[in-house]
Amino acid sequence: DVKVTQSSRYLVKRTGEKVFLECVQDMDHENMFWYRQDPGLGLRLIYFSYDVKMKEKGDIPEGYSVSREKKERFSLILESASTNQTSMYLCASTVFRVGGQNIQYFGAGTRLSVL
Amino acid sequence: LAKTTQPISMDSYEGQEVNITCSHNNIATNDYITWYQQFPSQGPRFIIQGYKTKVTNEVASLFIPADRKSSTLSLPRVSLSDTAVYYCLVGDPPHTPLVFGKGTRLSVIA
Repeated sequence: DVKVTQSSRYLVKRTGEKVFLECVQDMDHENMFWYRQDPGLGLRLIYFSYDVKMKEKGDIPEGYSVSREKKERFSLILESASTNQTSMYLCASTVFRVGGQNIQYFGAGTRLSVL
Repeated sequence: LAKTTQPISMDSYEGQEVNITCSHNNIATNDYITWYQQFPSQGPRFIIQGYKTKVTNEVASLFIPADRKSSTLSLPRVSLSDTAVYYCLVGDPPHTPLVFGKGTRLSVIA
């Protein structure tokens, strides 16, 4: 069964802290994504990665960075957390196949509160 | 990236068929259309994907007209457990990542 695991379901951090959100997938997928989801705004793409050590900015990369040292793990980093980064964070992975069925598999999400 | 427009919310009674339409006027030739379902406090889950005409699986049907500028997700005989947010996405992996809009919040009433 497909599995995308996010390290924490709930996190509470203080303003200015460095925060790491970890995501691991067991499907040998090349592509991984980080989104944030806020009420009324839907899912917004922060960063994605097509391969190990590769990263691409999404729609809202400001205030975030990512790390992909191993194929199965994609980390989202908040260098200095701020209250406006309080949100639900969702990780996803997929294999891209031209002409095939490309499905994103999502983790359960991490609800981060920055105080 | 092709933008999508969907109704913000819909209500339905149990047992009815629900059709959610998505507009994507600037869809590109290589773009696929994909629908996801999201329950509260969970990540989105794939429902169905198509390129043209009609696609059907055990959960839903997807209708795509010849011009592909819109698509309709059809859920037969909905139940209370179908209450969720439904997202329509248009994209052509691997060249572009899928972009989620705000989705349609479906409320099923007993």
